[in-house]
Amino acid sequence: GAGVSQSPSNKVTEKGKDVELRCDPISGHTALYWYRQRLGQGLEFLIYFQGNSAPDKSGLPSDRFSAERTGESVSTLTIQRTQQEDSAVYLCASSDWSTSGGSTDTQYFGPGTRLTVL
Amino acid sequence: DAKTTQPNSMESNEEEPVHLPCNHSTISGTDYIHWYRQLPSQGPEYVIHGLTSNVNNRMASLAIAEDRKSSTLILHRATLRDAAVYYCILRDVYSGANNLFFGTGTRLTVIP
Repeated sequence: GAGVSQSPSNKVTEKGKDVELRCDPISGHTALYWYRQRLGQGLEFLIYFQGNSAPDKSGLPSDRFSAERTGESVSTLTIQRTQQEDSAVYLCASSDWSTSGGSTDTQYFGPGTRLTVL
Repeated sequence: DAKTTQPNSMESNEEEPVHLPCNHSTISGTDYIHWYRQLPSQGPEYVIHGLTSNVNNRMASLAIAEDRKSSTLILHRATLRDAAVYYCILRDVYSGANNLFFGTGTRLTVIP
């Protein structure tokens, strides 16, 4: 079946502009995650959605970052007034958390959006 | 979640077994051990996970030390496609946070 998809695959923007990144999770997956990966580094957690619960925003680096999710479907990560330090690959993952609980659920990752801020 | 320590890089010859170590000396009794890998220019993918007993699946085997302070991911026959960064991650069954904490992982190079 279809995996996690993300769009755009690449985004080049100028410093100070706003950008929106989209994630389409696997159908039926209740949990959705956003991560950021800077060049040559590991993934940093940004935000987590689980069903209708309030999202876990503990990883968002500043108030310029926000994310929304409509029900258990598409999510959008928005970065306002982009800075060069925001340049990274933004990865989205989804999981069927409800069947196994948080400790063992498998997260399925999309291919990421490569953001370059000039 | 408790911290893990992995070597920065390892090399293996193609078609030979690979043992990727992970130390987690502060692991708690409720931490599961997960392994993910990230192929070049792709998002991470799940490999295997376990709690106390050794685990096998079609991709790999996971050997967990008796005291659970270390574990080893075993690729039985490395192929060129296995060249990736391998991440060892601990997840607490009682943790309210479900995100994965990725360290820097081990970069595996497979030599033809």
